[in-house]
Amino acid sequence: DVKVTQSSRYLVKRTGEKVFLECVQDMDHENMFWYRQDPGLGLRLIYFSYDVKMKEKGDIPEGYSVSREKKERFSLILESASTNQTSMYLCASRPDRAFAEAFFGQGTRLTVV
Amino acid sequence: DQQVKQNSPSLSVQEGRISILNCDYTNSMFDYFLWYKKYPAEGPTFLISISSIKDKNEDGRFTVFLNKSAKHLSLHIVPSQPGDSAVYFCAASGWDSNYQLIWGAGTKLIIKP
Repeated sequence: DVKVTQSSRYLVKRTGEKVFLECVQDMDHENMFWYRQDPGLGLRLIYFSYDVKMKEKGDIPEGYSVSREKKERFSLILESASTNQTSMYLCASRPDRAFAEAFFGQGTRLTVV
Repeated sequence: DQQVKQNSPSLSVQEGRISILNCDYTNSMFDYFLWYKKYPAEGPTFLISISSIKDKNEDGRFTVFLNKSAKHLSLHIVPSQPGDSAVYFCAASGWDSNYQLIWGAGTKLIIKP
């Protein structure tokens, strides 16, 4: 079974804090993704990575950065957390082939106060 | 512009009846379509997929239909069960988007007892 593990289920941080969300996958997938999910807005892509040390901006990268030092690990960084970054954050991995599904972690519910 | 649209934010269905969730897309280059199910505070889980060479794919109670001329796909759940209450996302991919998954906004399905 493919497993994507996010480091925290729930997080509460203060405005201005630097926040790290970690994600690890165990299936040697090339592609990894960070999304945020907000009611009525679906899944919005923040960043993705198709290889170690490679990253691409998604639809809403502002206020975020990412790091992929190892193939299995993809980190999302909120440089200075703000209340509008309160959301459900979802990490996913996917093999690098056309007809493939993505596998998601359990999600991190981040509240910024 | 939204390339994948789920026009119904929510749907309520009686237990035991058929649930039909709809999804429309605009990009004729999409050739792979997926449905995911998401419970609150959990990550999405893959349900079923279909490639553009088919018009129907079935897996147990779940059937996906693809109408390429109308750029429309639907997910049928028969019979609907209480555990089917969740948010359902459709996603699509194609060669011109480097096979990135493009997501709809989701439909909340409520199964009434």
